[in-house]
Amino acid sequence: RKEVEQDPGPFNVPEGATVAFNCTYSNSASQSFFWYRQDCRKEPKLLMSVYSSGNEDGRFTAQLNRASQYISLLIRDSKLSDSATYLCVVTWDTGGFKTIFGAGTRLFVKA
Amino acid sequence: DAGVTQSPTHLIKTRGQQVTLRCSPKSGHDTVSWYQQALGQGPQFIFQYYEEEERQRGNFPDRFSGHQFPNYSSELNVNALLLGDSALYLCASSRTSLGPFFGPGTRLTVL
Repeated sequence: RKEVEQDPGPFNVPEGATVAFNCTYSNSASQSFFWYRQDCRKEPKLLMSVYSSGNEDGRFTAQLNRASQYISLLIRDSKLSDSATYLCVVTWDTGGFKTIFGAGTRLFVKA
Repeated sequence: DAGVTQSPTHLIKTRGQQVTLRCSPKSGHDTVSWYQQALGQGPQFIFQYYEEEERQRGNFPDRFSGHQFPNYSSELNVNALLLGDSALYLCASSRTSLGPFFGPGTRLTVL
C-alpha cells in the first residue's frame, strides 16, 4: 500500500462547480498535512495546511479525519484558474521530518 | 527574499555521466530536501539534509548522494546516469514541521 494515495483523476468540471478531492495515508503517526498545487511544468506551491478542526481559505476548505486516515480538499465556485494538479502531502517525524507526496489529482475547469 | 533557488534550470547528459545539481534554501530555512518528479507523477523523496548531515533517505540507490554546506545550501549528485533518471529534480527547504517551499527545479534529460 502506498504511504499516500490520491485519485489521479482527471476531474473535469464546469466553472462554478464544487469539487472535492480525498487523500488517504497509511502512517497513523502522521503529524502534519498539507495540500499543494502544481501547475504544468512548474514547482509545487503550498495551497494550505490542514488542521484537525478543519480550515477554510476563501473558496477552499480542508478537512482531516484521523480516525479514517484521510484528508480532503473542497473547492467551491471553481474558476478556470483552478485548473492544476493538487498534491496531498503528509509528514511525520522519524528523527527528521519525512514528507511524502501523493501522486496528485488533475483538475480541469472548463468554461 | 529570493525563495528557494536551483541551478541549472535545464541539463542534458548522456548515460554513464555524472551530474551535480545545486540548491540555495529560502532565508531562515535550515533543512533541505530533494525530490525527483517524473512526468505525470508526484514528487518522490530522495533525501533530506539538516545540519550538514543526511537525516532521512527515500528509496533511491547509492548513485544518488548529496551534501549540505554550512550556509545550508545543498548539492545533489547522481553518478552513472541512466535513462530513467530523466526527471524534474526539485529542492525544497523548510524549518521544523512546516510544509516545504520548493525551488523551480532542474529538468534533467539523460540521452
